[in-house]
Amino acid sequence: DAGVIQSPRHEVTEMGQEVTLRCKPISGHDYLFWYRQTMMRGLELLIYFNNNVPIDDSGMPEDRFSAKMPNASFSTLKIQPSEPRDSAVYFCASSPISGGEQFFGPGTRLTVL
Amino acid sequence: AQSVSQHNHHVILSEAASLELGCNYSYGGTVNLFWYVQYPGQHLQLLLKYFSGDPLVKGIKGFEAEFIKSKFSFNLRKPSVQWSDTAEYFCAERRSQGNLIFGKGTKLSVKP
Repeated sequence: DAGVIQSPRHEVTEMGQEVTLRCKPISGHDYLFWYRQTMMRGLELLIYFNNNVPIDDSGMPEDRFSAKMPNASFSTLKIQPSEPRDSAVYFCASSPISGGEQFFGPGTRLTVL
Repeated sequence: AQSVSQHNHHVILSEAASLELGCNYSYGGTVNLFWYVQYPGQHLQLLLKYFSGDPLVKGIKGFEAEFIKSKFSFNLRKPSVQWSDTAEYFCAERRSQGNLIFGKGTKLSVKP
């Protein structure tokens, strides 16, 4: 298996632009997680899905952030409009079972100028 | 609320020194605990996990962790570190809802 796939690996954009981050979980994994990592706040869970349904989005910072999982093999995290404080590394992870080991993707390094 | 505490923000060791990184969890129910490692510029990878059974858990690359229920602790250890162990280490606990809560992480720098 190729593992969790994320794209793009790097994204540089200007404030106010829309940003879409993509994730393909490991096949057969029912859980998908989106995390944000910064120096100041460490690793934060933004949202997670079970069988394509959002279970907990309490970590989503504000309405500018949205996430979807239209099918079992694809999820997006969208920021609209983006702001400089959104600059971070965004990780996607998947897991086959509740509370089990999570497999992380390589991350997307987002820079908002 | 559930939380995971990692006591040290940054640890600096010389090669061959012994390592112990502290982790305290808060959840009193069924405990599932993890240690992840993040090498510079890379994603998180699982080092070891504890679900039940022997409280001394062996992981990859010579790491081990001991689950001590009375102390709510799950400290990570390695008898002799190498320069290649330079990384950030995250302790995590399964949350009652099923997702994981991560600690803030501990940066380990190993001097050659």
